[in-house]
Amino acid sequence: QVQLVESGGGVVQPGKSLRLSCVASGFTFSSFPMNWVRQIPGKGLEWVAVISYDGNNKHYADAVEGRFTISRDNSENTLFLQMNSLRSEDTAVYYCARESTRPTDYWGQGTLVTVSS
Amino acid sequence: DIQMTQSPSTLSASVGDRVTITCRASQSISSWLAWYQQKPGKAPKLLIYKASTLETGVPSRFSGSRSGTEFTLTISSLQPDDFATYHCQQYNSYKWTFGQGTKVEI
Repeated sequence: QVQLVESGGGVVQPGKSLRLSCVASGFTFSSFPMNWVRQIPGKGLEWVAVISYDGNNKHYADAVEGRFTISRDNSENTLFLQMNSLRSEDTAVYYCARESTRPTDYWGQGTLVTVSS
Repeated sequence: DIQMTQSPSTLSASVGDRVTITCRASQSISSWLAWYQQKPGKAPKLLIYKASTLETGVPSRFSGSRSGTEFTLTISSLQPDDFATYHCQQYNSYKWTFGQGTKVEI
């Protein structure tokens, strides 16, 4: 059974950093590209970043380019999102999502990041 | 970036109603369009991909269609479990973009 479990969210001050994790199980993690998607509470979905199955290719949304870094540890079946220089507009629920041809088939339950002084 | 314009933002309907939600892409995305259903506090659930292919396990009352850059999600007969928010998503490029969402309420 495929499972994606995010952690690492919380309340952080503007300008600070936070690292999110997504632990995968129930499938061969190293075979799938992975994405981070966020959602401001009560609003729509926004794609954040994608990483290839081997970690060699990464792409970011313009809104986070240069501040966020996506990475993965295939030996630990874990996806990461390092978020630096956080802003109030980064406040959202962050989901990890497995990419397939459909284009995604599994999502985590999300972790809430609140950027506030 | 490709913009997705989804309408309406809110839709009031009754059980048994036929419901239609539309998404328009700012440029051609071929049929690389997916629809998701989301309930409060939950992750989105894939309903339809490639504009009209029903995900396994999704009831047949859901259907999707495409006309150029306009895409439609139709629920043929609304059921109590269908009251939720629906999102469209283009995946023509690695920079996915989503519509603003449509809340289907009673």
